[in-house]
Amino acid sequence: EIVLTQSPGTLSLSPGEGATLSCRASQSVTSNYLAWYKLKPGQAPRLLIYGASNRATGIPDRFSGSGSGTDFTLTISRLEPEDFAVYYCQQYGSSPFTFGPGTKVDIK
Amino acid sequence: QVQLQESGPGLVKPSETLSLTCTVSGGSISSYYWSWIRQPPGKGLEWIGYIYYSGITKYNPSLKSRVTISVDTSKKQFSLKLSSVTAADTAVYYCTRCSPGSSDYWGQGTLVTVSS
Repeated sequence: EIVLTQSPGTLSLSPGEGATLSCRASQSVTSNYLAWYKLKPGQAPRLLIYGASNRATGIPDRFSGSGSGTDFTLTISRLEPEDFAVYYCQQYGSSPFTFGPGTKVDIK
Repeated sequence: QVQLQESGPGLVKPSETLSLTCTVSGGSISSYYWSWIRQPPGKGLEWIGYIYYSGITKYNPSLKSRVTISVDTSKKQFSLKLSSVTAADTAVYYCTRCSPGSSDYWGQGTLVTVSS
């Protein structure tokens, strides 16, 4: 099973600032099948990035994903109020699909 | 716009079977994988398993002995059964569409509490 580690655990930032979230895998993720999701209380989770760097439908271009192999990054260029949430990475290259423990982005 | 809606009991007794159904609307159930994911209170996400519309399944080995996912294409529904539940199975359960492995559409989630 691939174990995903996310850092930092919490990121305290102000609206308009940029955010860099890291996701590291215990072994190489097959075909870079790595996704990022945003979870906010009371809302359905939302897919942001798939295949490590592809934005999902309707996701604004301030969100970008990069990385390959075992190291992946989600970058939010300018935080909007709706971006304060918990972000999870997921690998779906090998079963069982696994998630990281999440990074909480909160308002400073 | 594809929409998914979970339904089922919000309270299940220990040792009994948790049963949830996900109804798909606004799109076809064919040619996609459909999955269940859960989130215990205060914890992270856990992938339970998926089913292809043809009936092929794959489960998380940590739950495999207790999980069954099935699909009814005529009703545009897929279902989760988790047997012999304990308090550790208390969680928000989400149904999702996989395209092909990442989940591009999610239900709102339903809280299932295991308690006597």
